[in-house]
Amino acid sequence: KQEVTQIPAALSVPEGENLVLNCSFTDSAIYNLQWFRQDPGKGLTSLLLIQSSQREQTSGRLNASLDKSSGRSTLYIAASQPGDSATYLCAASIFQKLVFGTGTRLLVSP
Amino acid sequence: SQTIHQWPATLVQPVGSPLSLECTVEGTSNPNLYWYRQAAGRGLQLLFYSVGIGQISSEVPQNLSASRPQDRQFILSSKKLLLSDSGFYLCAWSVRGVSSNSPLHFGNGTRLTVT
Repeated sequence: KQEVTQIPAALSVPEGENLVLNCSFTDSAIYNLQWFRQDPGKGLTSLLLIQSSQREQTSGRLNASLDKSSGRSTLYIAASQPGDSATYLCAASIFQKLVFGTGTRLLVSP
Repeated sequence: SQTIHQWPATLVQPVGSPLSLECTVEGTSNPNLYWYRQAAGRGLQLLFYSVGIGQISSEVPQNLSASRPQDRQFILSSKKLLLSDSGFYLCAWSVRGVSSNSPLHFGNGTRLTVT
């Protein structure tokens, strides 16, 4: 059974700092790894999707990496801003299912 | 562009009452559709997914059911709600299955409180 873990559960940083969010999964036979952002009381917004054959994907200040062999993915946020405050979730795709982690709650203070 | 609509945004229902949550997608055809539930402090749990009209796969045996009467319409129902059905229900769609390279797009969710 695929399990996805995110560490830390919560993170508080001052504005401008670069930060890394971690995601680990137990079954390396994934099709892709997706990162999402969730604002309080809202649905999830897709940020990045890394195919199983890729090592990383970039979108603006966000960079996500994937290491299937070690069962890990990281989301790097450069020059963090207060608007980045949200919960970030990763999800591993296996067969027809996306298995989600419980998220990292990020607070960026001005 | 594609959009997903989910309603209502919030709902308070007594135990034993019926439930109907609706989700529609615009701007695409034959999407894969999903219902997830997010309980407080827990990850998202896949409830149902559909790859086409009338095709529903259930992930969690419980008193909920789903239907897809039209290509871009997905409905979550219950005949009698339980307290444990409280949670945040999210509808989502993708162009192809999640095992492809299609990202998942979510609606804004329905906050259901069963009293």
